[in-house]
Amino acid sequence: AQTVTQSQPEMSVQEAETVTLSCTYDTSESNYYLFWYKQPPSRQMILVIRQEAYKQQNATENRFSVNFQKAAKSFSLKISDSQLGDTAMYFCAFMKLSNTGNQFYFGTGTSLTVIP
Amino acid sequence: EPEVTQTPSHQVTQMGQEVILRCVPISNHLYFYWYRQILGQKVEFLVSFYNNEISEKSEIFDDQFSVERPDGSNFTLKIRSTKLEDSAMYFCASTVGLVTDTQYFGPGTRLTVL
Repeated sequence: AQTVTQSQPEMSVQEAETVTLSCTYDTSESNYYLFWYKQPPSRQMILVIRQEAYKQQNATENRFSVNFQKAAKSFSLKISDSQLGDTAMYFCAFMKLSNTGNQFYFGTGTSLTVIP
Repeated sequence: EPEVTQTPSHQVTQMGQEVILRCVPISNHLYFYWYRQILGQKVEFLVSFYNNEISEKSEIFDDQFSVERPDGSNFTLKIRSTKLEDSAMYFCASTVGLVTDTQYFGPGTRLTVL
């Protein structure tokens, strides 16, 4: 079974500062994908960034980057130059590949507040 | 940009009643999913659907639940006899294919069972 753990239920950061959200996972799969999703108060989940497990290079999307440590099964999200619009719930997710339909396993989320 | 839509945004029902939650996936997508999120808890996988049949389902998806793609565009989740514990946000998602495709989520339907 796959499990995803986010140990920080709440975090806050000053606007323009950098914050790192942690995520660890457990799996016996060798090939999988990892994601960070953002869920603003409007409730629709939006993809922030994704990482293929077979790639050693850490994914980057503008102000968002990850630190993927496959051996340690760790997948943290770094948000640089935090903006007020980054305030949201952030979910780490593991995608198990399957021929019949990929399954996502989500962590419990980290509520991030960006303080002006 | 195309998006997944869901209706209604909020549904209130009495315990024991049947509800149908509707989703319109992105038009060229082939794989469809339902998830639920009980307030304050994590998002949980319910079921995946491909080629007009269920491909995978979780233990949550018991006989009270069913899914259907009745007309080639809608993707529905039916709960036959709702329980209080079915109160949650229900998210639909879709992907074009499997391996490299990210799931696109709809805005969710908040189901409240009284």
